[in-house]
Amino acid sequence: DQQVKQNSPSLSVQEGRISILNCDYTNSMFDYFLWYKKYPAEGPTFLISISSIKDKNEDGRFTVFLNKSAKHLSLHIVPSQPGDSAVYFCAASAFLRTGANNLFFGTGTRLTVIP
Amino acid sequence: DAGVTQSPTHLIKTRGQQVTLRCSPKSGHDTVSWYQQALGQGPQFIFQYYEEEERQRGNFPDRFSGHQFPNYSSELNVNALLLGDSALYLCASSYNRVAEQYFGPGTRLTVT
Repeated sequence: DQQVKQNSPSLSVQEGRISILNCDYTNSMFDYFLWYKKYPAEGPTFLISISSIKDKNEDGRFTVFLNKSAKHLSLHIVPSQPGDSAVYFCAASAFLRTGANNLFFGTGTRLTVIP
Repeated sequence: DAGVTQSPTHLIKTRGQQVTLRCSPKSGHDTVSWYQQALGQGPQFIFQYYEEEERQRGNFPDRFSGHQFPNYSSELNVNALLLGDSALYLCASSYNRVAEQYFGPGTRLTVT
């Protein structure tokens, strides 16, 4: 049962334009959401996160929006650059009372930024 | 400041063998989690270690076990390897009770 879904396997965007990557989740107990970027032969690199009590978080060119009622989040990259070309993973986290947490990942969206 | 490191980078094993993968967390981090990533999929949680104890486990069989040492480094052991265990194994570290996890480059395990 996939609790985090990324329904678009790939996305192509022109350099300088906005990239919008989408993610849906099913578990209302998730309290943090994160985006990671992954290049081939490397581990995922943390990009940005958002707490479930917020609806927007911004860090430079990256902004994450959270719509809890729709169980949907999106990552906006403005402006897109060729170096942004990678696979982007959405992840969600729920903390247990023990303090433990694990990340549930989507299947990823491959972003290609065309120069 | 060194990030998360993992060794070895690549490993080839035969079905039925045992393997040990190693991870050193980012400086200052005290929590280590392990994930398995199959081709074309997102990482899947195996288990998390804190204070040298496994405190959460994902849906993986007992053939997968681990250890955390007093210096916070960690090992993942897999016994009785199956062909389906071929994957990228990722280690992630974090501060206790903090959501953001930082990943190492992974160990690519091939079981033949």
